[in-house]
Amino acid sequence: QVHLVQSGAEVKKPGSSVKVSCTASGNPFSSFAIHWVRQAPGQGLEWVGTIIPVFKTTNYEQRFQGRVTITADESTTTAYMELSSLTSDDTAMYYCASGACGGAPCSSPYGWFDPWGPGTLVTVSS
Amino acid sequence: EIVLTQSPATLSLSPGERATLSCRASQSVSSYLAWYQQKPGQAPRLLIYDASKRATGIPARFSGSGSGTDFTLTISGLEPEDFAVYYCQQRSNWPGTFGGGTKVDIK
Repeated sequence: QVHLVQSGAEVKKPGSSVKVSCTASGNPFSSFAIHWVRQAPGQGLEWVGTIIPVFKTTNYEQRFQGRVTITADESTTTAYMELSSLTSDDTAMYYCASGACGGAPCSSPYGWFDPWGPGTLVTVSS
Repeated sequence: EIVLTQSPATLSLSPGERATLSCRASQSVSSYLAWYQQKPGQAPRLLIYDASKRATGIPARFSGSGSGTDFTLTISGLEPEDFAVYYCQQRSNWPGTFGGGTKVDIK
């Protein structure tokens, strides 16, 4: 079973950038995709983007294109999500989740999200 | 983009009652639909995938059904720990999208 640990809460100024990390253990890092999802306070879930570390390919939600960069470091089994030009609308909990197909880790971008990391709260405030 | 509409927005029930949650897609997603549970202050958890398959460790009181555009999550007898928000998600078309959620609260 994959286990995900995320970096701690961040407070950022408008216009700045934030980089959130997600460290995986329990299964080979090359065997699954990492998805990023955010949730604004009191709101629903919004997919941000996905990386498949073994292929080093990424896909982003169109509304974040140009502002988000997702990377992965296989040597530390850590994925990163960097979001730039922050505004107050980016205040949210940011989750990473590993990809799963048929109950097992998988590297397909179409896999389900299981399990999830605990989340990283990003607050954007002047 | 496929839009998922969940209903009702809130479902007020008592422990032991049966809960029926609906998720409707704006176009067919075949069976590429999942359900997640989220409790306050926690990350979501996968309950059901491929419309009707229970994820590892999920109790049998949770069941999913449907295909195409109409899907249902049924909780056969609500336990105290089941009061939470439930989201559906499709992975048929890019990007995968989530529904707006149904909150199951205690009546």
